[in-house]
Amino acid sequence: DTGVSQNPRHKITKRGQNVTFRCDPISEHNRLYWYRQTLGQGPEFLTYFQNEAQLEKSRLLSDRFSAERPKGSFSTLEIQRTEQGDSAMYLCASSMTSGSTDTQYFGPGTRLTVL
Amino acid sequence: AQKVTQAQTEISVVEKEDVTLDCVYETRDTTYYLFWYKQPPSGELVFLIRRNSFDEQNEISGRYSWNFQKSTSSFNFTITASQVVDSAVYFCALSAYSGAGSYQLTFGKGTKLSVIP
Repeated sequence: DTGVSQNPRHKITKRGQNVTFRCDPISEHNRLYWYRQTLGQGPEFLTYFQNEAQLEKSRLLSDRFSAERPKGSFSTLEIQRTEQGDSAMYLCASSMTSGSTDTQYFGPGTRLTVL
Repeated sequence: AQKVTQAQTEISVVEKEDVTLDCVYETRDTTYYLFWYKQPPSGELVFLIRRNSFDEQNEISGRYSWNFQKSTSSFNFTITASQVVDSAVYFCALSAYSGAGSYQLTFGKGTKLSVIP
């Protein structure tokens, strides 16, 4: 199996611009998660997809954030009108439903810098 | 609410020393899962181990071992005979069914391990 991939790996943008990140999960993994990690902190949950349905969103996910997973394959995370506080590493993870267990495998992340 | 505490922010050891990373968790769920992930300087989180709340058996995998104790809500990780390649940030994490379909992970703040040659 190839692992989770994310593009781009790095993104530098100016405040107020829109950015979009892509995540390609491990093939056949039906669950997909987005997390955000700031410097010196552990990752924090943003949102969750099961197949193409977005079933859960964190209160961290403001109205400027939107995520999609068309056809239950890759996922995109868009941030509109970026702010300096959005600077972070955005991590994607995928897993497969297996009884009551869920081991999430992470991609390399997209590091966003908002100037 | 769930919480994971990794009290050790940074640890430095000399190569070949043993080192234990502490993890304490809080949850009201009776069924939950505990994880350790490694994050090397490259940034990618690497899965190391998963244990469920009903299995308190300690586990050894090569130089790694884990000690899960429900009585103290701890899930500690020991590296025996540390190597320079073990240098990374290690995260302890907890998950339980959210009720909305996910098993979102709650992470600690991580422990940065530096192994000095």
